[in-house]
Amino acid sequence: GAGVSQTPSNKVTEKGKYVELRCDPISGHTALYWYRQSLGQGPEFLIYFQGTGAADDSGLPNDRFFAVRPEGSVSTLKIQRTERGDSAVYLCASSPKGLAGVTGELFFGEGSRLTVL
Amino acid sequence: GQSLEQPSEVTAVEGAIVQINCTYQTSGFYGLSWYQQHDGGAPTFLSYNALDGLEETGRFSSFLSRSDSYGYLLLQELQMKDSASYFCAVITGANNLFFGTGTRLTVIP
Repeated sequence: GAGVSQTPSNKVTEKGKYVELRCDPISGHTALYWYRQSLGQGPEFLIYFQGTGAADDSGLPNDRFFAVRPEGSVSTLKIQRTERGDSAVYLCASSPKGLAGVTGELFFGEGSRLTVL
Repeated sequence: GQSLEQPSEVTAVEGAIVQINCTYQTSGFYGLSWYQQHDGGAPTFLSYNALDGLEETGRFSSFLSRSDSYGYLLLQELQMKDSASYFCAVITGANNLFFGTGTRLTVIP
């Protein structure tokens, strides 16, 4: 596709349920990032993939959060036993390769708004 | 870890010039990016500085001083559509990008 695609755009779930959020990056982009954004805050880094492997998962808040990118393209962010504090917009972004010293640009999707009741 | 500081809110008049400052503390610094985000929208890239100095892109310019761990975004000829949140973000040696808390710009007639 032309841009980063995220599904679902909105997800409402109950506390304790399991949720999957999907990201389809721009074709050919090897780097993929997940961020979480609460109202009035900046995007908070969660995890970064280079190809199929997680290059940096230091932002995942706890072991309820997990992300995969098995074929180096589509990625899924998985949240187990959701809590009300997980409510936020989850943003996915991609870039052609590494950022450092190159362009500094990430291409973001519109996000998945998660509401945990 | 990373720490970025920006003013939380700025208000400016249409047609004026506004400067949004960003100070940062990080390890493995490679560069500073700026992003714009309208309410309910995705962050969109504005500019990037890897070296000291000023980068100009149309009405927007961005400045970096690595020795001072400081940068700013300059918006000229402000338009109503420039009302949005603006984020500085540092790129670290791990090819990662960390955002500040953002500055909400309101342009008034």
